[in-house]
Amino acid sequence: DVKVTQSSRYLVKRTGEKVFLECVQDMDHENMFWYRQDPGLGLRLIYFSYDVKMKEKGDIPEGYSVSREKKERFSLILESASTNQTSMYLCASSLSPTGGNSPLHFGNGTRLTVT
Amino acid sequence: EDQVTQSPEALRLQEGESSSLNCSYTVSGLRGLFWYRQDPGKGPEFLFTLYSAGEEKEKERLKATLTKKESFLHITAPKPEDSATYLCAVQAFRAQKLVFGQGTRLTINP
Repeated sequence: DVKVTQSSRYLVKRTGEKVFLECVQDMDHENMFWYRQDPGLGLRLIYFSYDVKMKEKGDIPEGYSVSREKKERFSLILESASTNQTSMYLCASSLSPTGGNSPLHFGNGTRLTVT
Repeated sequence: EDQVTQSPEALRLQEGESSSLNCSYTVSGLRGLFWYRQDPGKGPEFLFTLYSAGEEKEKERLKATLTKKESFLHITAPKPEDSATYLCAVQAFRAQKLVFGQGTRLTINP
């Protein structure tokens, strides 16, 4: 079974802090994704990566950046956290570059609160 | 713009009471429609992929169907362990990403 591990289940950060969310997958998938999940808005794609050192913007990249230095690890960075970035963040990996032909495998999420 | 709307937002059933969840979509050229299940405090878990109108997929008490405008997730004789949020997503042929609906929160009372 694919395992996607997010390093923190809960995080509380202050406005203006730089925040790192880490994600590791163990199935050698080339494609990794970061989503945020908010009530009433569903899952929205922030960034995705189809290879090491490659990244593509999703629907809501503003205020975020990503890093993919190793195939198994995909990091989401909030350069200067703001209260509107309080959310559930979900990492996923897939054999498919779009999450289409092969399903997305999700981690259990990081609930980030910015105060 | 590709859109997905799920209804109802929440559904409460008694154990054994069958029902259906709806996923209506607007997309120019459907490549695939996907159903995921999400338990509280966990990430979504893949259930089904449907590719063309008329296609059906089954897994235990769940059956997903697809038409040109919508998909239904039928739940037959549900049990409390079927309680979860069910997410629908679509992908267009020209799209690089999935578009998710807001989900239906299903509660099965014993």
